[in-house]
Amino acid sequence: GENVEQHPSTLSVQEGDSAVIKCTYSDSASNYFPWYKQELGKRPQLIIDIRSNVGEKKDQRIAVTLNKTAKHFSLHITETQPEDSAVYFCAAEWGNTPLVFGKGTRLSVIA
Amino acid sequence: GAVVSQHPSWVICKSGTSVKIECRSLDFQATTMFWYRQFPKQSLMLMATSNEGSKATYEQGVEKDKFLINHASLTLSTLTVTSAHPEDSSFYICSARALTGGLNTGELFFGEGSRLTVL
Repeated sequence: GENVEQHPSTLSVQEGDSAVIKCTYSDSASNYFPWYKQELGKRPQLIIDIRSNVGEKKDQRIAVTLNKTAKHFSLHITETQPEDSAVYFCAAEWGNTPLVFGKGTRLSVIA
Repeated sequence: GAVVSQHPSWVICKSGTSVKIECRSLDFQATTMFWYRQFPKQSLMLMATSNEGSKATYEQGVEKDKFLINHASLTLSTLTVTSAHPEDSSFYICSARALTGGLNTGELFFGEGSRLTVL
């Protein structure tokens, strides 16, 4: 089955700096890669996703890149703000199979 | 976007009792729902896939007799934790995909989660 590795587990950045979180996946058939943001005690919220036919996708300060050959994808947050502090999860899936999540990255943006 | 509602948001029960958690898709039909469990500061671990009108598919290591899943309609799935024990205390989250015209949009919508505490 699919296995998703996520790094780093914790990340602290100064406000205004960029944050990068990286994930690798094992199943080359996976074709959908979402990123979720989860604040303490709340449900995960989709912030951006990318499909395997695209190499990069951007939405304002958030971008995701995908390297299918290397089987890794990354989340980039620019101009970080304190409200970006949360736990971020990457995930991967193929077809209608359940999402497999990475272990999460706790991002702290220091004002 | 699609809305998934989960109830109750938190529950405290005595050891040995059973607890039922409901997951509803409010504005779309979901033939498949997923139940996850999340321990503090950990990731979401898939427990089972709930299929409307058929038996749930459980992940390895998840006791199907302990975590009963029923998906009786296209908008409701329930998870019952039977004979709960303190080690069952956790955050349980359901999720569902919105299907549009028979196509899987891919996006997974999560319920609010249910925090279970077993005394």
